Amino acid sequence: EPEVTQTPSHQVTQMGQEVILRCVPISNHLYFYWYRQILGQKVEFLVSFYNNEISEKSEIFDDQFSVERPDGSNFTLKIRSTKLEDSAMYFCASRETRQGSYNEQFFGPGTRLTVL
Amino acid sequence: GNSVTQMEGPVTLSEEAFLTINCTYTATGYPSLFWYVQYPGEGLQLLLKATKADDKGSNKGFEATYRKETTSFHLEKGSVQVSDSAVYFCALIPKTSYDKVIFGPGTSLSVIP
Repeated sequence: EPEVTQTPSHQVTQMGQEVILRCVPISNHLYFYWYRQILGQKVEFLVSFYNNEISEKSEIFDDQFSVERPDGSNFTLKIRSTKLEDSAMYFCASRETRQGSYNEQFFGPGTRLTVL
Repeated sequence: GNSVTQMEGPVTLSEEAFLTINCTYTATGYPSLFWYVQYPGEGLQLLLKATKADDKGSNKGFEATYRKETTSFHLEKGSVQVSDSAVYFCALIPKTSYDKVIFGPGTSLSVIP
């Protein structure tokens, strides 16, 4: 069964460093998402991406964050200068199509980011 | 705004016990409602959904009914198993945005033999 994959499973970095979290969405999906979950808190929407551009972003997704689909398979989240409060689990998700009613978002297993 | 509230955990039950996890929501209009489950070490999986009032979603013995009068979507299972131990998230997608899933805080369930 097709699934969303994410690498690495755990990333440790120093404050101020840049990190890139990688995701491989399901191959025929067209919509891509990043969510994050700070330990003990709820899962929060960060950004949605379609047709090589951001379609919606939350207040959390400030200038320190960027997303990219560098090739036909990967979808990345970059944090330019990490802060302690960026420590969280980051989930990637993808969805097949927007037309009609709701289509399920399929989530990856997450990348745990620890900023020291 | 749009938000989801669910009962605090952790919840610990014996095998074959009845499970209820309460979920209420606040939304503009009538959102689509979901329960996601996260097993240890895994990603978020859609457990069940309901897209309009009075719909009942069901899967793997779990059920939830979309109640617009009480703005609720409580998760139930008649007889839990050890393998049901996981974190359960109630969630909604507002009618104003097909993209954004809004999650509740999650409820951790442990089922003991």
